[in-house]
Amino acid sequence: DAKTTQPPSMDCAEGRAANLPCNHSTISGNEYVYWYRQIHSQGPQYIIHGLKNNETNEMASLIITEDRKSSTLILPHATLRDTAVYYCIVRVVDNAGNMLTFGGGTRLMVKP
Amino acid sequence: NAGVMQNPRHLVRRRGQEARLRCSPMKGHSHVYWYRQLPEEGLKFMVYLQKENIIDESGMPKERFSAEFPKEGPSILRIQQVVRGDSAAYFCASSPAVQETQYFGPGTRLLVL
Repeated sequence: DAKTTQPPSMDCAEGRAANLPCNHSTISGNEYVYWYRQIHSQGPQYIIHGLKNNETNEMASLIITEDRKSSTLILPHATLRDTAVYYCIVRVVDNAGNMLTFGGGTRLMVKP
Repeated sequence: NAGVMQNPRHLVRRRGQEARLRCSPMKGHSHVYWYRQLPEEGLKFMVYLQKENIIDESGMPKERFSAEFPKEGPSILRIQQVVRGDSAAYFCASSPAVQETQYFGPGTRLLVL
């Protein structure tokens, strides 16, 4: 799977949008971009994933650049409970089955 | 729909004892993945199982560790003769099919004294 690069930490004011970048410049055409978060050593929580198009769900939006070499996870109105480590993962999705490869992630601190 | 369940949530063992960690996947999920998170580190893949089959165990130590996912019942990760370095959080994830999203359980925190 392609390697991803994320800033180690970010701050965000409560109520503001949190924009978390991820670089995956070596991504292949059959690799999806997945985002998970881990709140204080709990189990990782799935947030969203996409291949080419931008995606939105009740938790977040995922913006993928046209060349697919980078993406941004957007939490539209961050709350204190969104403080967590956010992991951007690229993953081949095929019948062979693939594990998730977690990097260091971005530690997001939402401040009042 | 209940999520992935793991038990026990906390497990304390003395060096040389055995640890058994259980994972019940989400209803309708037949694919199970185990990951380990050492203190202050990221999650690392250990093993991937389907019902009654180990598909990929490339991340699991060759000695003392084994995993199973029987036809009936939960998946079991077994660690024999535990050592202090086995102290970690062990997470299980499940998915309904190999291409689908993996959903994680709350983890089992193993402490070896």
